[in-house]
Amino acid sequence: AQSVTQPDIHITVSEGASLELRCNYSYGATPYLFWYVQSPGQGLQLLLKYFSGDTLVQGIKGFEAEFKRSQSSFNLRKPSVHWSDAAEYFCAVGDNYGQNFVFGPGTRLSVLP
Amino acid sequence: DAGVIQSPRHEVTEMGQEVTLRCKPISGHNSLFWYRQTMMRGLELLIYFNNNVPIDDSGMPEDRFSAKMPNASFSTLKIQPSEPRDSAVYFCASSPGGVRGEAFFGQGTRLTVV
Repeated sequence: AQSVTQPDIHITVSEGASLELRCNYSYGATPYLFWYVQSPGQGLQLLLKYFSGDTLVQGIKGFEAEFKRSQSSFNLRKPSVHWSDAAEYFCAVGDNYGQNFVFGPGTRLSVLP
Repeated sequence: DAGVIQSPRHEVTEMGQEVTLRCKPISGHNSLFWYRQTMMRGLELLIYFNNNVPIDDSGMPEDRFSAKMPNASFSTLKIQPSEPRDSAVYFCASSPGGVRGEAFFGQGTRLTVV
């Protein structure tokens, strides 16, 4: 069974600063990896996904993530954070059949003005 | 498409009462998931269906919880009897299924059991 860890529970950055959220996964086969964002009181919105090919994937809102098989990681990055990026971020891994999505515990991002 | 639709958005009930949460997945999606989100436990997968058939219900916390999917456009999650510790936000998500499909989430149902 797959699993996901997000080592950082809460991160605070200043507006305009760069951001990197960490994600490590465990899965026996080629993983399908996702990053979701959740604003307060809202559902989860997909930021980006990786299935195969180029290990650097671009997503919405200026986010990108890099898949590193050797490190079992799929870290999320953004070069310049905006105040509206304050939210909870979840990394998830899916199985090969698209039938089982396991989420990490989430990282809460706070943005200082 | 309107996305995944959940109802009600908020539910307050008394301990011991039956609670039914409803979900309408995105048309054409083959997989449906029920998640529970709490501060203590994060986002937990309760059960998922593929082509209306329950595939894995190992995340269902106990026999008080049951889920059904009578057709491709409707699913329910029932708690009977409800307890205060069931208070959480319950999300439904659907996916095209197969490879390469991500999960699309509804807005969630915030359940409070008093």
